[in-house]
Amino acid sequence: NAGVTQTPKFQVLKTGQSMTLQCAQDMNHNSMYWYRQDPGMGLRLIYYSASEGTTDKGEVPNGYNVSRLNKREFSLRLESAAPSQTSVYFCASSEGTGQPYEQYFGPGTRLTVT
Amino acid sequence: AQSVTQLGSHVSVSEGALVLLRCNYSSSVPPYLFWYVQYPNQGLQLLLKYTTGATLVKGINGFEAEFKKSETSFHLTKPSAHMSDAAEYFCAVSDWTGRRALTFGSGTRLQVQP
Repeated sequence: NAGVTQTPKFQVLKTGQSMTLQCAQDMNHNSMYWYRQDPGMGLRLIYYSASEGTTDKGEVPNGYNVSRLNKREFSLRLESAAPSQTSVYFCASSEGTGQPYEQYFGPGTRLTVT
Repeated sequence: AQSVTQLGSHVSVSEGALVLLRCNYSSSVPPYLFWYVQYPNQGLQLLLKYTTGATLVKGINGFEAEFKKSETSFHLTKPSAHMSDAAEYFCAVSDWTGRRALTFGSGTRLQVQP
């Protein structure tokens, strides 16, 4: 039982390049989330998926797109990376959205955009 | 909208001393409150959560927190700090719009001096 896994762990991009961050969970959770963490700002929600087949914007969605590929996988895509997107990205999952379920976090992806 | 304020971005204590990390929240509805811990280069791990019922909540590693509605606070305490407690701690409030995403505070880095 690996929990929430994320790939890659580290990535360096040039401005304008694109990439996809991958996230998978093996806990049969319904809900999945993408956050970014910046110094002094805590974690901010980018996108979430309440259940398979649905996605919705969070607090800071501009410059990102997501795909809920199936119940296990939730990817985050940067179409044209900008230096402002340099951050640590965390994927999380929870059983659902009807209760205050615990969110389980992956180890993060450190992205640098030059 | 909900928000979380963590007073003190850095807290330093001596080993064996009391740990007190402060968290105040703003919410228009009864909140669900969480404390997460992040060790260096890792994802977030749940320490404890308050949903309903008993206002004093006990978590892992000897931590506890007390929900005080009148003060809109959810401070985290531990009677005796250990070197292994050195980490960053995040207070979070659950979103009641239906998506149950978390709104995080900016975090408090705890240093434990020998």
